[in-house]
Amino acid sequence: GNSVTQMEGPVTLSEEAFLTINCTYTATGYPSLFWYVQYPGEGLQLLLKATKADDKGSNKGFEATYRKETTSFHLEKGSVQVSDSAVYFCALRPIINSGGSNYKLTFGKGTLLTVNP
Amino acid sequence: NAGVMQNPRHLVRRRGQEARLRCSPMKGHSHVYWYRQLPEEGLKFMVYLQKENIIDESGMPKERFSAEFPKEGPSILRIQQVVRGDSAAYFCASSPRPATNEKLFFGSGTQLSVL
Repeated sequence: GNSVTQMEGPVTLSEEAFLTINCTYTATGYPSLFWYVQYPGEGLQLLLKATKADDKGSNKGFEATYRKETTSFHLEKGSVQVSDSAVYFCALRPIINSGGSNYKLTFGKGTLLTVNP
Repeated sequence: NAGVMQNPRHLVRRRGQEARLRCSPMKGHSHVYWYRQLPEEGLKFMVYLQKENIIDESGMPKERFSAEFPKEGPSILRIQQVVRGDSAAYFCASSPRPATNEKLFFGSGTQLSVL
């Protein structure tokens, strides 16, 4: 079956530090990959996505590259801010002809990021 | 333009009681999805509903759990005779069309604690 494994948290960084949150996946074929973010008291929001190998998703200074060879989709940001403090979820959506239902996202456990001033 | 609204935010029940979780999708959205996050696990799909129809309930536990999305009003996830293992965060998401290429809009979740 499909699965997502992401870096254990919590992660605590100082402002302007470099961020990496690792994410690897197991799935049939080439699923779509996502990073969602949940700010305190809010719902999960789509942060970025990539739909095929070597695609790079980017948004708000965050980036992640779809690596087929390592089945990874690591999240990076060059300089984090206090406002980036949140829980980050890596997720995949299976492709239609793999037999999976393409509305069923598979999520990782989430990684809590705290950025201190 | 309110987002997906879930209530209550926190729900405490004793073993054997019933829990009702509500989800109001975004305006104009007729597709609703429920996910559950057990402690130390990722969110897992439970059920997909359209207005008055259950499309896919393959992720729902076989007993005690049910879901509905009536023509009027919010979607309801109902858990009868709750047990401690039901303690989890329950998230609802919605989309305007089947989520083939649509991103899902999530609520902030209901944290259910069973004493």
